[in-house]
Amino acid sequence: QQQVKQSPQSLIVQKGGISIINCAYENTAFDYFPWYQQFPGKGPALLIAIRPDVSEKKEGRFTISFNKSAKQFSLHIMDSQPGDSATYFCAASKTGGSARQLTFGSGTQLTVLP
Amino acid sequence: DAGVIQSPRHEVTEMGQEVTLRCKPISGHNSLFWYRQTMMRGLELLIYFNNNVPIDDSGMPEDRFSAKMPNASFSTLKIQPSEPRDSAVYFCASSLGGLGSNQPQHFGDGTRLSIL
Repeated sequence: QQQVKQSPQSLIVQKGGISIINCAYENTAFDYFPWYQQFPGKGPALLIAIRPDVSEKKEGRFTISFNKSAKQFSLHIMDSQPGDSATYFCAASKTGGSARQLTFGSGTQLTVLP
Repeated sequence: DAGVIQSPRHEVTEMGQEVTLRCKPISGHNSLFWYRQTMMRGLELLIYFNNNVPIDDSGMPEDRFSAKMPNASFSTLKIQPSEPRDSAVYFCASSLGGLGSNQPQHFGDGTRLSIL
């Protein structure tokens, strides 16, 4: 059962453009929503994360928008650069237990053309 | 500052052989996770440990898979016997755990496993 649905599967953007990746979740108990960035041959690395008590979080060119009522959240990459070309994963987890178990989306392969 | 260290980086072996993947978490981290990544299924959590104790192994696909964490600085994931469908990239991640912790998971660079 896929609890976090991510789209699109792949995305091609021109340099300087805006990249938008969307995710939707089902479990209303989720209370932590990170985005991970993965380059070829490397493990995923935390990019930015948000909790549902805020609707937006911005770090540099990366912004998470969160819509609790719609159970959706998205990653916006402003002024996209070729170096941003990577696979992006959204994830979700819930408080409780001895560690956060992340449920990952299926990933979006972003290509930023020079 | 050393990150999560996994070995080997690549493993190619024949079906039926035993495979052992190794992970050294970041010093001081008390939670450790094993993931499997494939094109078809994406990133799947196999098992995670907290303070060296397995907490949830519901993601382990079959009895052929086993994982241990004998101490805070070392974990292994073993597949015996291996099958071609086990071919994937296996990641280890660690974090500072604790109830409600927002500490991020730090991933190693993975082991690319190919079973012929």
